[in-house]
Amino acid sequence: EAGVAQSPRYKIIEKRQSVAFWCNPISGHATLYWYQQILGQGPKLLIQFQNNGVVDDSQLPKDRFSAERLKGVDSTLKIQPAKLEDSAVYLCASSLDRGFTDTQYFGPGTRLTVL
Amino acid sequence: QKEVEQNSGPLSVPEGAIASLNCTYSDRGSQSFFWYRQYSGKSPELIMFIYSNGDKEDGRFTAQLNKASQYVSLLIRDSQPSDSATYLCAVIRVSSGDKLTFGTGTRLAVRP
Repeated sequence: EAGVAQSPRYKIIEKRQSVAFWCNPISGHATLYWYQQILGQGPKLLIQFQNNGVVDDSQLPKDRFSAERLKGVDSTLKIQPAKLEDSAVYLCASSLDRGFTDTQYFGPGTRLTVL
Repeated sequence: QKEVEQNSGPLSVPEGAIASLNCTYSDRGSQSFFWYRQYSGKSPELIMFIYSNGDKEDGRFTAQLNKASQYVSLLIRDSQPSDSATYLCAVIRVSSGDKLTFGTGTRLAVRP
């Protein structure tokens, strides 16, 4: 079974530029998550999708971050414009469904450096 | 008070010893507890989860949950150098749906 795929793996941009990340979850997984992990910290949930609907985006900085999951499969996360503090690893995860025992499987992440 | 607290470490143990990793949480409504391992530069991978008080064993790993004291721990028996990684504790609170809230992680170093 293929895991969660993410691209690109690395991205370096200058502040005020825009950037987009792509995620393809495990086949059949209805729930998709985007996390931000700053160096030395645990992952922080940015947005959660159930199929193509948003379940939780309470920690998404909506003035600069946006995300979509068209057709309930792939998802993209965009930052526009980027700030220095956005430098982090952006992790995509998926789970079969929602539930307090549903395991989240993480992709390899995209390491973003904002100069 | 942080929702999920872990000692950042590093916790250093000799090869073959038992490593004990601890995590406390603030919300008594927390329902499920997960331990993830994260190697440097890699993404988190699930080790095990627990949601009932007591112990849960899986190979060399044992998760222990005490809801009254609001702590969860992970024991790693016969520690190996390959266990050297950051261990992330995560909880799901009923009040936040199924959102995982992570601690900052404990770095474990197993010395040969």
